[in-house]
Amino acid sequence: EDKVVQSPLSLVVHEGDTVTLNCSYEVTNFRSLLWYKQEKKAPTFLFMLTSSGIEKKSGRLSSILDKKELFSILNITATQTGDSAVYLCAVRYGGSQGNLIFGKGTKLSVKP
Amino acid sequence: NAGVMQNPRHLVRRRGQEARLRCSPMKGHSHVYWYRQLPEEGLKFMVYLQKENIIDESGMPKERFSAEFPKEGPSILRIQQVVRGDSAAYFCASSPQPGAPYGYTFGSGTRLTVV
Repeated sequence: EDKVVQSPLSLVVHEGDTVTLNCSYEVTNFRSLLWYKQEKKAPTFLFMLTSSGIEKKSGRLSSILDKKELFSILNITATQTGDSAVYLCAVRYGGSQGNLIFGKGTKLSVKP
Repeated sequence: NAGVMQNPRHLVRRRGQEARLRCSPMKGHSHVYWYRQLPEEGLKFMVYLQKENIIDESGMPKERFSAEFPKEGPSILRIQQVVRGDSAAYFCASSPQPGAPYGYTFGSGTRLTVV
């Protein structure tokens, strides 16, 4: 069965800490892996990864994919309270061009 | 560009009633996807539509649920004879093409509560 597993499910840190969120997957005909940030509204797109070993970076956020070990990590450095959200990992796979499989998300809480 | 618009934001229905959820994709987007999010669960794919066509409905329950994306107007997700288990947040996303490199753009969702 195709699946995406995120860990940890929740995480509490203090401002300034660095966090690493994990996403592992088992899918047929992997195409790409996407990260989203979800506050109390629409998930917003962060990164899309298709190739192993190439780090994507946006400000304090970065992500990398390992297609051999079937996982990705999302790093957030110097966390701020505004980073508090649920971070969703999703995988696009072969069979349907439009279908994404989502993990359950990691709920990150950043305390001042 | 108003983004993906979903309405209503909140919808309360009694058991047995019908729920109609609307999604207007971003301008220029002809691909629409519906996802359901149960409490403490990830987003689950329901259906993928292009204008006037259902491309993939593998995530749709076999009964009571239907979706359409007419040539004119928004995409509609329709749930007939709602039950308590249908209570969830329903998100719509759109893209200009499948596999858009920047991902899909999601709407803010419709939170359906069945009482």
